Amino acid sequence: DAGITQSPRHKVTETGTPVTLRCHQTENHRYMYWYRQDPGHGLRLIHYSYGVKDTDKGEVSDGYSVSRSKTEDFLLTLESATSSQTSVYFCASTGGSSYNSPLHFGNGTRLTVT
Amino acid sequence: AQKITQTQPGMFVQEKEAVTLDCTYDTSDQSYGLFWYKQPSSGEMIFLIYQGSYDEQNATEGRYSLNFQKARKSANLVISASQLGDSAMYFCAMSLTYNFNKFYFGSGTKLNVKP
Repeated sequence: DAGITQSPRHKVTETGTPVTLRCHQTENHRYMYWYRQDPGHGLRLIHYSYGVKDTDKGEVSDGYSVSRSKTEDFLLTLESATSSQTSVYFCASTGGSSYNSPLHFGNGTRLTVT
Repeated sequence: AQKITQTQPGMFVQEKEAVTLDCTYDTSDQSYGLFWYKQPSSGEMIFLIYQGSYDEQNATEGRYSLNFQKARKSANLVISASQLGDSAMYFCAMSLTYNFNKFYFGSGTKLNVKP
């Protein structure tokens, strides 16, 4: 299975503070993604990357930014955290451009904004 | 807009019985993949099974099979001989081959297997 590590695993922060979540993969996968998981909504795509320095917005990107300076690292930043961003965040990656390449997930980061 | 719909928020099944989890999808793309993932209470996402839009036969992986009906745009997951360890959230997902491999997920179905 793809080695995807997310850090931190848990974080509590205050409203208005910046937060950066990190994702590191060891499989040389081209595509990387950030999702948030909320009850009743499943997983919703925040941002994705299709190569180094190539990123784009997903369906719930407001209040989030990303960066990918190396193939293996994908950072998600909440510029000024709000309580609505309390969620579980998953990073995922996939290697191929063929449609049978599944997503491989990290173990998630539980973020609480107080 | 791409969309995945799972209409069963929660389901119960008796141990050793079969269960079908529903999934419908909506896309105008011709090339796409359909996936099912399992999320146990521990939180990790586990890939179960895949079906490509051009595949004519339904996918099977052990006790999991995917009932793919392209004209109806449905991709139901069938779990045969349910086990207590199958109790989990199940997510249906669709990937778009020619749209940066973006994956879209349904809202999930919580399956409880009763002994």
